[in-house]
Amino acid sequence: EAQVTQNPRYLITVTGKKLTVTCSQNMNHEYMSWYRQDPGLGLRQIYYSMNVEVTDKGDVPEGYKVSRKEKRNFPLILESPSPNQTSLYFCASSPRGYEQYFGPGTRLTVT
Amino acid sequence: QQQVKQSPQSLIVQKGGISIINCAYENTAFDYFPWYQQFPGKGPALLIAIRPDVSEKKEGRFTISFNKSAKQFSLHIMDSQPGDSATYFCAASSSGNTPLVFGKGTRLSVIA
Repeated sequence: EAQVTQNPRYLITVTGKKLTVTCSQNMNHEYMSWYRQDPGLGLRQIYYSMNVEVTDKGDVPEGYKVSRKEKRNFPLILESPSPNQTSLYFCASSPRGYEQYFGPGTRLTVT
Repeated sequence: QQQVKQSPQSLIVQKGGISIINCAYENTAFDYFPWYQQFPGKGPALLIAIRPDVSEKKEGRFTISFNKSAKQFSLHIMDSQPGDSATYFCAASSSGNTPLVFGKGTRLSVIA
């Protein structure tokens, strides 16, 4: 089944404790991206990647890191999480930036 | 600044009625305008999309109307059903090589 998977789906952590949210797609898509969704603010792009080893900042990159060492994986790293990063996170992939396939989401709470 | 402005923020429609959601953009380089549908607890999913070479695209009960001169596009849901209750996002991008820019979303509730 063609899909985008994210892990974990739910995470509660404390301020400053490094965490990684994994994202994997099995559709051989070049384009992958991370979004955060907050009430009233819609979907805001954090980082995106046009291909392996190519990443670029989106609208809200501060406090986040990404890497794209393999085509199928695009992990999101929070080196020192803060409460303002409490949000719902979505990974998405696309064959060329047009139709994006979203993962199921990761709900992160930072206390 | 690349923006897509979406309205209304929330919408309540009677079953069988027409739901209309509007979006406006500023960047004339945008050439791809999709609508995404998101149910609670799920990721957004592509509903329907249009390119600026046509003024309207219809798929079942869902229609996109596109006005290039006004830089506006809208989603019409005919014969709205309770199962259509979801959050709808409009978006835009340029040539598929730039990130999608999303509107802030419209929460639609269809009541019986």
